[in-house]
Amino acid sequence: AQTVTQSQPEMSVQEAETVTLSCTYDTSESDYYLFWYKQPPSRQMILVIRQEAYKQQNATENRFSVNFQKAAKSFSLKISDSQLGDAAMYFCAYRSDAGGTSYGKLTFGQGTILTVHP
Amino acid sequence: GAVVSQHPSRVICKSGTSVKIECRSLDFQATTMFWYRQFPKKSLMLMATSNEGSKATYEQGVEKDKFLINHASLTLSTLTVTSAHPEDSSFYICSARDLRAEKPQHFGDGTRLSIL
Repeated sequence: AQTVTQSQPEMSVQEAETVTLSCTYDTSESDYYLFWYKQPPSRQMILVIRQEAYKQQNATENRFSVNFQKAAKSFSLKISDSQLGDAAMYFCAYRSDAGGTSYGKLTFGQGTILTVHP
Repeated sequence: GAVVSQHPSRVICKSGTSVKIECRSLDFQATTMFWYRQFPKKSLMLMATSNEGSKATYEQGVEKDKFLINHASLTLSTLTVTSAHPEDSSFYICSARDLRAEKPQHFGDGTRLSIL
């Protein structure tokens, strides 16, 4: 079974600064996707960024970028120019692409609460 | 706009009541939907995978008779918490996988269930 680990229960950053959230995962599969989701106090799940395992290039979405190290099974999220609206709980998630009963199922990390200080 | 609608968003009811939560995919067909449970400041834990036209697949430790799942159409899955007790109070979130190429998984807005 796949596991996802976020070792930082809480992180804080000053507005306009950069912060990196860590995520590691364990899998024996070669085809999979990795995601970062943001969950603000409203508890909506908002997709921040996704990475296909077969792509070597790190995904970027505006101020959000990832450092995907496939051999090390590491998938960190960097938030640049942090804004007050970035404050939320962030989840790293793994999705198998192998088919079968696991197809489409997301496995989440424990989450990291990000606080942004003005 | 929302592509997965979850209803109701908030339920408060007495112990012993059965509560039904609906999850609808609005502009795509979802043969598979997922039900998650989340405690405050904790992660989402998958409860079960809902399969259209067949039985749901439950994760280990989830009581099938307590959490009844029905996926009778390609756009609707329901989760019924039967004879709910205070320990069933939690936040329940559904998600649906859009199988069209390159589409992400969409989440409902969740249901906050409080059992008195």
